Amino acid sequence: QQQVKQSPQSLIVQKGGISIINCAYENTAFDYFPWYQQFPGKGPALLIAIRPDVSEKKEGRFTISFNKSAKQFSLHIMDSQPGDSATYFCAASGDTGNQFYFGTGTSLTVIP
Amino acid sequence: NAGVTQTPKFRVLKTGQSMTLLCAQDMNHEYMYWYRQDPGMGLRLIHYSVGEGTTAKGEVPDGYNVSRLKKQNFLLGLESAAPSQTSVYFCASSHPPFRLADNQETQYFGPGTRLLVL
Repeated sequence: QQQVKQSPQSLIVQKGGISIINCAYENTAFDYFPWYQQFPGKGPALLIAIRPDVSEKKEGRFTISFNKSAKQFSLHIMDSQPGDSATYFCAASGDTGNQFYFGTGTSLTVIP
Repeated sequence: NAGVTQTPKFRVLKTGQSMTLLCAQDMNHEYMYWYRQDPGMGLRLIHYSVGEGTTAKGEVPDGYNVSRLKKQNFLLGLESAAPSQTSVYFCASSHPPFRLADNQETQYFGPGTRLLVL
């Protein structure tokens, strides 16, 4: 059973557009929600993360929106660039401490 | 500072063969993890360790064993490889707790090991 559901599976966006990736979870014990970016042939790298005590976190062109009541969170990439083309994973972890649960990934392609 | 390194980068095994994947980190992290990544499945935790000499099962531990004899190394073993274990394996490490005040401290991943079991 997938603990974190991610959509869409793939996304194509024009340069300068907004990319939006959504994730949903069921386990209310989750209290940490990171997003990872992965380029082909590389390991995932932390992009941005949020805790449920805030509804939004912004870092440069990347924003996480968090809706605790709906148990959903999303990644918004503003002014998307071809260099943003990668696979993005959402994840969640909770008071069990050591286990991250990852979404299935979204392959983003930004067209010049 | 090499971060997290994995060896080998690529390996082909025949069904029933055994092998060990090595992960090394030079960041003095307490926690280390092994994941597998499969198309459409995301990353799934196989085993993890919260310190030297300790290991624990993750989400998909069957068919794998691990050892953490030294703080900087985490070994993943396949005793009798099966085609279902064809995957890309990632090692990661982190400080405890991995969630620091600004949420920026988290798991650091290695470059991956691509394993094909025939």
